[in-house]
Amino acid sequence: GAGVSQTPSNKVTEKGKYVELRCDPISGHTALYWYRQSLGQGPEFLIYFQGTGAADDSGLPNDRFFAVRPEGSVSTLKIQRTERGDSAVYLCASSGTGTGRMNTEAFFGQGTRLTVV
Amino acid sequence: DAKTTQPNSMESNEEEPVHLPCNHSTISGTDYIHWYRQLPSQGPEYVIHGLTSNVNNRMASLAIAEDRKSSTLILHRATLRDAAVYYCILRVTGNTPLVFGKGTRLSVIA
Repeated sequence: GAGVSQTPSNKVTEKGKYVELRCDPISGHTALYWYRQSLGQGPEFLIYFQGTGAADDSGLPNDRFFAVRPEGSVSTLKIQRTERGDSAVYLCASSGTGTGRMNTEAFFGQGTRLTVV
Repeated sequence: DAKTTQPNSMESNEEEPVHLPCNHSTISGTDYIHWYRQLPSQGPEYVIHGLTSNVNNRMASLAIAEDRKSSTLILHRATLRDAAVYYCILRVTGNTPLVFGKGTRLSVIA
């Protein structure tokens, strides 16, 4: 596809349930990022993949959150035992690999709106 | 990451220029200055970035102070479509994650 695709666009789940959010990055992009955004706030960094490995997962709030990118393309953000406080828009972004001092533009998807009831 | 300071909100009339300021007094020599914007119900989108020299592209201009402790994003003629939250972000080289603050909410009045 032309851009970053996230599915589903909306997800409503009950407290305590498990959810998976999917991100399809732009083809060939090696870097992939997950963010979450609460109302009125800027996006909050969660995790960054370079290829298949998590280069930085310092933003994951606790061990209920986990993300994978097994083939270096599609990524899945997994949330166990969801809580009402997990309700937010989850954004995914991808970028190519900058070499040397080149900074590479990040392309964002439309996000998945997660509501935990 | 070094932090940035932006006004919470600004207002502009349609078809007038808009100057969005950003302070980043603790910027380091390797930090690039990036601007992203987020339209309602959309993910953020790249606007412009620079290191030391002023930059122009089809969307906007970026004016960087000589000491690099502040910068200004310039929209030459605001349109209703430019109403968005604008984020000023410092980013070291490579693919390090973007760290967003609260940004400036720009309203454009017809």
